[in-house]
Amino acid sequence: EAQVTQNPRYLITVTGKKLTVTCSQNMNHEYMSWYRQDPGLGLRQIYYSMNVEVTDKGDVPEGYKVSRKEKRNFPLILESPSPNQTSLYFCASSLSVDSSEQYFGPGTRLTVT
Amino acid sequence: DQQVKQNSPSLSVQEGRISILNCDYTNSMFDYFLWYKKYPAEGPTFLISISSIKDKNEDGRFTVFLNKSAKHLSLHIVPSQPGDSAVYFCAASGFYNQGGKLIFGQGTELSVKP
Repeated sequence: EAQVTQNPRYLITVTGKKLTVTCSQNMNHEYMSWYRQDPGLGLRQIYYSMNVEVTDKGDVPEGYKVSRKEKRNFPLILESPSPNQTSLYFCASSLSVDSSEQYFGPGTRLTVT
Repeated sequence: DQQVKQNSPSLSVQEGRISILNCDYTNSMFDYFLWYKKYPAEGPTFLISISSIKDKNEDGRFTVFLNKSAKHLSLHIVPSQPGDSAVYFCAASGFYNQGGKLIFGQGTELSVKP
């Protein structure tokens, strides 16, 4: 089954404790992206990757890091989480950067206390 | 500055009737528009899209209308079914967008009552 998977689905952590949210897709997509969803703001792009070893900042990259060592995986790293990073996070992928129809993972709900 | 706006946070419709969800945008450089549907505890799923060279696109019960002069698009669902109850996001993209970014609206929660 073609899908984007994220782990963990739910995470409660404390300020400053490094964490990683994994994202994997099995569709051989070149393009991957991370979004966060906050009430009243819709989804906003954090980072994106056009292909392996190519990543760049989206609209709200502060406090986040990413890496793209393999085509299928695109982990999101929070080196020192803060309460304002409490949010619902979605990973997405598409065939290429020109494909607007992106496939989303199920989401990771992160709470930072 | 919210470039894509969905001004109705919620909409309630009776089963069998038409649901109309609205979306406004401010940037005339957008050239492709999409609607995504999101159920609780799931990621958004693509529903329907429209290119700026068209003013209407239909897929079964779902039709998207684009009015470029008013910078407005709408999603019509006819007839509405209880399974359509979800949050609907409109999104826009443009060739100038860096990184294939989709600009999302805030979402409208549709409730279809039996």
